[in-house]
Amino acid sequence: DGGITQSPKYLFRKEGQNVTLSCEQNLNHDAMYWYRQDPGQGLRLIYYSQIVNDFQKGDIAEGYSVSREKKESFPLTVTSAQKNPTAFYLCASSTGTPYPYNEQFFGPGTRLTVL
Amino acid sequence: DAKTTQPNSMESNEEEPVHLPCNHSTISGTDYIHWYRQLPSQGPEYVIHGLTSNVNNRMASLAIAEDRKSSTLILHRATLRDAAVYYCILITSGTYKYIFGTGTRLKVLA
Repeated sequence: DGGITQSPKYLFRKEGQNVTLSCEQNLNHDAMYWYRQDPGQGLRLIYYSQIVNDFQKGDIAEGYSVSREKKESFPLTVTSAQKNPTAFYLCASSTGTPYPYNEQFFGPGTRLTVL
Repeated sequence: DAKTTQPNSMESNEEEPVHLPCNHSTISGTDYIHWYRQLPSQGPEYVIHGLTSNVNNRMASLAIAEDRKSSTLILHRATLRDAAVYYCILITSGTYKYIFGTGTRLKVLA
């Protein structure tokens, strides 16, 4: 079955450590996204990538980094520079052409807790 | 980016219809109206979308006002599995970016 996988589902890290969240898709989608969700809030865009080897900052990119070396993979690194990293992280993908629009498909999410 | 306004929460009895409103008074001609829903501890999933005309699919119906400044998601018979946060989103043609508000939390009562 085609879909998006995120691992792990729950992740615990000590303050000051970098951590990388995995996102893989087998939908053959060109575009991939990372969102952050805090309790009771909507989703906020961290980074997105329209195509391999290219990515753009979203609304809250500070303290995060990404890479897009393969079409299927878009890992997110939460660095020690992120002041409040505890949150629910969601990865999504969509076909590459946003005309007339892009439907986004979401993974199950990773809940990161920094102790 | 055009924004949407939704009630924070709504309740419905099981097997009754639910009408979830969304205001988008600053919508532009190239904005599509999309609805996603997010079940507890899961990623959002697509529900329905429309541009100008009312739309139906197996999950729901979307009623769009004639001036497009508001829309209503209609669940014809709510079930307990429909309890979720419902997001109304405007997608501008040509953009990759979605703007998620806080949505409407739907509670379905047995």
